[in-house]
Amino acid sequence: GAVVSQHPSRVICKSGTSVKIECRSLDFQATTMFWYRQFPKQSLMLMATSNEGSKATYEQGVEKDKFLINHASLTLSTLTVTSAHPEDSSFYICSAETSGNTGELFFGEGSRLTVL
Amino acid sequence: AQKITQTQPGMFVQEKEAVTLDCTYDTSDQSYGLFWYKQPSSGEMIFLIYQGSYDEQNATEGRYSLNFQKARKSANLVISASQLGDSAMYFCAMREGYGGSQGNLIFGKGTKLSVKP
Repeated sequence: GAVVSQHPSRVICKSGTSVKIECRSLDFQATTMFWYRQFPKQSLMLMATSNEGSKATYEQGVEKDKFLINHASLTLSTLTVTSAHPEDSSFYICSAETSGNTGELFFGEGSRLTVL
Repeated sequence: AQKITQTQPGMFVQEKEAVTLDCTYDTSDQSYGLFWYKQPSSGEMIFLIYQGSYDEQNATEGRYSLNFQKARKSANLVISASQLGDSAMYFCAMREGYGGSQGNLIFGKGTKLSVKP
């Protein structure tokens, strides 16, 4: 299957700083990427959908100014958590689909953010 | 609105036995796809099996099979011959469109499977 790489896998930062998480499709072009957030022992909740070259579509309740998503190329989408606070600590995971999509989405390994 | 329900927060199974993880879904769409993912403690989402709404036969992938009951809107995952490495969270998910090719994945709350030696 297609490979999606997410980096960093773990990050610890101080409150008030910004953190950037990268999601790369390594062997295919990802026209659409999805960003999910997962709290401990809970399910994945969609944060936003990003399409290459256009603004991301955010789900209701997700602050677009806090969670900046950029999908500048067909192989890279980034999620920047701005002015992070302890309540932003969570597991963030991206998924991507190809232009010739068959339905399956390919997931990155996830990034565990801890804000002190 | 679409919805996925997994009623079993946790399940135990003896090694080498079979286990069924329940999943029901709710949608008004005729075209959709159903997916099962495994999430070990490391956090990665591992795709297990897919069933399209128009598929007449139940999907199978090795030790995984999907018991698709369209009229009942259920898509239970059956794992045969459980192994210790099967211990993980299991998520049922749905996506719109023919082949489940549109929009985002909507996940259930998951079932934590523990395999006992």
